[in-house]
Amino acid sequence: EVRLLESGGGLVQPGGSLRLSCAASGFTFSSYAMTWVRQAPGKGLEWVSSSSGESTYYADSVKGRFTISRDNSKNTLYLQMNSLRADDTALYFCAQDRVSGTYVVWGQGTLVTVSS
Amino acid sequence: DIQMTQSPSSLSATVGDRVTITCQASQDISNYLNWYQQKPGKAPKLLIHDASNLETGVPSRFSGSGSGTDFSFTISSLQPEDIATYYCQQYDRLPFTFGPGTKVDIK
Repeated sequence: EVRLLESGGGLVQPGGSLRLSCAASGFTFSSYAMTWVRQAPGKGLEWVSSSSGESTYYADSVKGRFTISRDNSKNTLYLQMNSLRADDTALYFCAQDRVSGTYVVWGQGTLVTVSS
Repeated sequence: DIQMTQSPSSLSATVGDRVTITCQASQDISNYLNWYQQKPGKAPKLLIHDASNLETGVPSRFSGSGSGTDFSFTISSLQPEDIATYYCQQYDRLPFTFGPGTKVDIK
């Protein structure tokens, strides 16, 4: 069974850092681009960052603060989030890119709350 | 960035009704458009890819059409399990933007 499992969310103060993880199973992780999408409480979906081969891409809203990375030996995707702001509060999903921008497999999400 | 708009923002319909949602892109995106369904507390689910292609395993009452800047998504006969929010998403160019969503419920 193809599965994605996010972890690492929690409550953090403004200016703080968190690292999210997304553990993949059931498919050849290294063969797929992977993406983070977030959803603020009661709001819509926002693409955050993607990792495709050696290339990485970021939304302007997180560029310079977030870093996407992956460890293909551990089948795990990461999102290092620094300088967190209140508007980063959201449920963060990881997703498998079947082709660039088409997300077929999603995790259940991990909640990040930025508040003092 | 390519802006995506959806109409309506919400709708109520009766079981068995035909429901149509429209999505407009701020520039030509060819057919690089997906439709997702999201139920409360769940991750989104891909229903339609490449504007009109039904994802494997998705019921045939769901369909999509359009190209360029104007797209539509239809549920031919609304079922109770279709209560959800539906999002269009363009993947012509980064950032891959989503529409604001259309919330569908039962009247």
